Amino acid sequence: QVHLQESGPGLVKPSETLSLTCTISGASISRYYWSWIRQPAGKGLEWIGRLFSSGSTTYNPSLKGRVTMSIDTSKNQFSLRMNSVTAADTAMYYCAGGEWGSFDYWGQGTLVTVSS
Amino acid sequence: QTVVTQEPSLTVSPGGTVTLTCASNTGAVTSGYWPSWFQQKPGQAPRALIYSTSNRHSWTPARFSGSLLGGKAALTLSAVQPDDEAEYWCLLYSAGEWVFGGGTKLTVL
Repeated sequence: QVHLQESGPGLVKPSETLSLTCTISGASISRYYWSWIRQPAGKGLEWIGRLFSSGSTTYNPSLKGRVTMSIDTSKNQFSLRMNSVTAADTAMYYCAGGEWGSFDYWGQGTLVTVSS
Repeated sequence: QTVVTQEPSLTVSPGGTVTLTCASNTGAVTSGYWPSWFQQKPGQAPRALIYSTSNRHSWTPARFSGSLLGGKAALTLSAVQPDDEAEYWCLLYSAGEWVFGGGTKLTVL
């Protein structure tokens, strides 16, 4: 079975860069499309971006170029970097993957708080 | 920018049937929007239920069904169980991005 695990700092200072990694087990990273999704406490889900093993990426335009996603096929991992964070970026961050039209597999999520 | 709208809340009796809908401000939802549905219980990650309008995952009970209904994507739950009480999210692909709806809180009462 496919398992995704998010990792990274739980606390990031305002204006700094948030960095998260998603480690995949049970499937080759080359097989599926991979996404980051976030959810502020008590609020809705927001798609952040998606990438494929070829390196092609698509990002949520509302994040105004603050986001970069990358892939490391040798480690079966993909990553998220979000710069110039503010308190509005405080959320549970999920990684997810699946075929092009589906988001089958989800990690348990990692809470990121932006605070000085 | 695409805005996806769901009913904020619905209530259904155990054993009953309920339909949740998912609309787009860009027009009628079609299969080209690749509608997906997810269930989320408190303190848990979302779980995928339906993809590509009406396809169930291997773990999705048959009483969950997806369709297009009146220009919207729809999720119908039949023979509802108390365990179905959760937040339900739809997801659409529009103008090159994926957009979640605002969620429907389903109460089983």
